[in-house]
Amino acid sequence: GAGVSQSPSNKVTEKGKDVELRCDPISGHTALYWYRQRLGQGLEFLIYFQGNSAPDKSGLPSDRFSAERTGESVSTLTIQRTQQEDSAVYLCASSWGFGETYNEQFFGPGTRLTVL
Amino acid sequence: DAKTTQPPSMDCAEGRAANLPCNHSTISGNEYVYWYRQIHSQGPQYIIHGLKNNETNEMASLIITEDRKSSTLILPHATLRDTAVYYCIVRLLYSGNTPLVFGKGTRLSVIA
Repeated sequence: GAGVSQSPSNKVTEKGKDVELRCDPISGHTALYWYRQRLGQGLEFLIYFQGNSAPDKSGLPSDRFSAERTGESVSTLTIQRTQQEDSAVYLCASSWGFGETYNEQFFGPGTRLTVL
Repeated sequence: DAKTTQPPSMDCAEGRAANLPCNHSTISGNEYVYWYRQIHSQGPQYIIHGLKNNETNEMASLIITEDRKSSTLILPHATLRDTAVYYCIVRLLYSGNTPLVFGKGTRLSVIA
């Protein structure tokens, strides 16, 4: 079946511009995550959606970052007034959201954002 | 979640077993050990997880010491496609679907 998809695969923007990154999770997955990975670094958690619950925004680095999710499908990560330090690969993952035990997270290929 | 320590890099000859260590000396009784890997320009991929017994699947084996303070991920016959960054993550049993906490991992280079 189809995996997690993200678009665009690459985005180059100028400092100060707004960008929108899209994630299409695996159908039926109720949990959706956004992570950021700077060059040569590990993944940093940004935001997490679980069904109809309020999202966990504890990882968002500033109020320039926001994300929305339509029901249990597509999610959009928006970065306003981009800065050069926002340059990174933005990864989306999804998982089954039922039960207390761990459900494997499936990752998309990421969007590489470059802010000039 | 408990902190993990991994060597920054390792080399392995193609066809040989790759043994990737992970220290998690502060692990608690209800925390699992998970392994993910990230091949260049791709998102992380789940490999295996375990609590205290050794585990094996089609990708790898996970050996956890009796005191659970360390573990080893074993790729029995490494191929060039196994070149990747390998992440060891310790996580509460009942953390459900909360986000994963990634360290810097071990960069494994499989050499022909």
